[in-house]
Amino acid sequence: NAGVTQTPKFRVLKTGQSMTLLCAQDMNHEYMYWYRQDPGMGLRLIHYSVGEGTTAKGEVPDGYNVSRLKKQNFLLGLESAAPSQTSVYFCASSRTVRDQPQHFGDGTRLSIL
Amino acid sequence: KNQVEQSPQSLIILEGKNCTLQCNYTVSPFSNLRWYKQDTGRGPVSLTIMTFSENTKSNGRYTATLDADTKQSSLHITASQLSDSASYICVVSASLGTYKYIFGTGTRLKVLA
Repeated sequence: NAGVTQTPKFRVLKTGQSMTLLCAQDMNHEYMYWYRQDPGMGLRLIHYSVGEGTTAKGEVPDGYNVSRLKKQNFLLGLESAAPSQTSVYFCASSRTVRDQPQHFGDGTRLSIL
Repeated sequence: KNQVEQSPQSLIILEGKNCTLQCNYTVSPFSNLRWYKQDTGRGPVSLTIMTFSENTKSNGRYTATLDADTKQSSLHITASQLSDSASYICVVSASLGTYKYIFGTGTRLKVLA
């Protein structure tokens, strides 16, 4: 019962470096989401996907890119990391858009020095 | 402006006691409301989801109520256990052509032995 799996769990980057966060779900869900969680703030939507091959911008998309080449995978990329991107990143999925993000991964803790 | 406000910010109770967490929202048009439990270092886990027509929904010792007229929801925890120590997040969905999810900042609950 894997659900939503995120890799890596922790990462430290230097300013200007790039990296890709991986998210995989085994529930055949159409909808996938990337959020960031910062202290004192609610989760904020970065990008989302309504199906294989589709992506769309959320509330805070600047500095991030995403791809959904396969239905089960949703990748989040940071092209040139900035200290403001230090955060905990959560991937989520849902069967329908009305269900809201149903299942979350356990997050990737990212520090940008 | 669509907003979700949760109270209290934090709460400490003794094991075995009951508690109630509040969620007030100004989201329109309302679609549904979901409560999540987030353990430290983990992703949110869904407890309940409620639509406009539902007043009460239970999940074990967790009971959520919804008053769509006053735009208030509460999460009642009965006979608290140490494992209930977590953050509880209220998320309201607005159907605006596409769906938008507004996250509260959560209530941090600590249950003491």
